[in-house]
Amino acid sequence: QSAPTQPASVSGSPGQSITISCTGTSSDVGRYNLVSWFQQDPGKVPKLLIYEVYKRPSGISNRFSGSKSGNTASLTISGLQAEDEADYYCSSYADTTVVFGGGTKVTVL
Amino acid sequence: QVQLQESGPRLVKPSETLSLTCTLSGASFSTHYWSWIRQPPGKGLEWIGYVYYTGKTKYNPSLQSRLSISIDTSKNQFSLNLRSVTAADTAVYYCARAGSGLSDIGDWGQGTLVTVSS
Repeated sequence: QSAPTQPASVSGSPGQSITISCTGTSSDVGRYNLVSWFQQDPGKVPKLLIYEVYKRPSGISNRFSGSKSGNTASLTISGLQAEDEADYYCSSYADTTVVFGGGTKVTVL
Repeated sequence: QVQLQESGPRLVKPSETLSLTCTLSGASFSTHYWSWIRQPPGKGLEWIGYVYYTGKTKYNPSLQSRLSISIDTSKNQFSLNLRSVTAADTAVYYCARAGSGLSDIGDWGQGTLVTVSS
């Protein structure tokens, strides 16, 4: 059971769109449409942004969108805002367990 | 509104057992997976395991030999016990509620920092 790979950091200017990748294997991301994304501000509790690849919980901005192709899932943040600066984690169901990606720090320039 | 609250010792000695309890309010235990996740200081999230309301459990393979998670629906609580701890087990421990996809963890406790040190 290995963690999906995420880029350590991604940056963008306000108003731009950025995409964070989450590359797993055929045993987790590639096999199941059960990928979630979380946002975590420093010292705060993670917040669910996306589940089941592309679904948004109630109250989550439509600036956040998810997709998947093969073994790689992606989170796109559109219209980047200063408040989006945070750590982002993917997670995936993986044959009865769950794996988290290593996390990506998003910086708004 | 679902509320989850972790409780337990904040300091545990090496080789001893880390024990935490999560108290649920605002919801019942049925139909969800009651999970534990941890985060070492400055590092990423690690899934520990879950207990279903029936008592069924599933653990992270890397922790399985030291881990047990249980549920007491009469007390609205579920618990984590991690044996033979080392400094590497120092982390913020979160209890959480996951949906049927297991990775869709929508409700989290505030987290509690547990330090393993003599």
